[in-house]
Amino acid sequence: DTEVTQTPKHLVMGMTNKKSLKCEQHMGHRAMYWYKQKAKKPPELMFVYSYEKLSINESVPSRFSPECPNSSLLNLHLHALQPEDSALYLCASSQARGYPGLAGGANTGELFFGEGSRLTVL
Amino acid sequence: KQEVTQIPAALSVPEGENLVLNCSFTDSAIYNLQWFRQDPGKGLTSLLLIQSSQREQTSGRLNASLDKSSGRSTLYIAASQPGDSATYLCAVKQGGSEKLVFGKGMKLTVNP
Repeated sequence: DTEVTQTPKHLVMGMTNKKSLKCEQHMGHRAMYWYKQKAKKPPELMFVYSYEKLSINESVPSRFSPECPNSSLLNLHLHALQPEDSALYLCASSQARGYPGLAGGANTGELFFGEGSRLTVL
Repeated sequence: KQEVTQIPAALSVPEGENLVLNCSFTDSAIYNLQWFRQDPGKGLTSLLLIQSSQREQTSGRLNASLDKSSGRSTLYIAASQPGDSATYLCAVKQGGSEKLVFGKGMKLTVNP
């Protein structure tokens, strides 16, 4: 199973709302990522969790709050967003550095992405 | 700072052509390089991953090569089909970091 599942697929929220995006993987990966993608642009890294600890924050505004409750789940809490935050939010996972590969093989660090959550902020 | 470049930004070809997609990167201290495909409004699908110690990887009609010393990778698509139409992204993971740096992508259209 190489699946990363994101919910919801679509979300419309007002600027005063509080909502959350959810991501789940069951590949035993210990690194999880949030990316933001605007139309016709490549994905931009927001956060990386490695072994359930925040290891990279790409200077993301505090209205985005990540959470990694366990090794399979990653949340992105949203509060007081702006219309310019409307985008496709992608979750990804990979095996973390220092973790052994499957069946004794090498840890390739390959990233697997979910289908994304399309966020519209009104 | 690692920079990844994909040229051209778009390519339109007739069905059946063999294609070469190019990717270049500025810092050769990479951990791996990954090619992705993205259909409109969808997530990224991993096509091929090449580790820094490898020279090429193959999957079906796809072949990716890596020349770390010159900072280049190519994705070769044999006998292109309309279903290959998508945006193709190249990304590199740096040594010592979990961060993946993306190129801007190349939009491929294969015409029947």
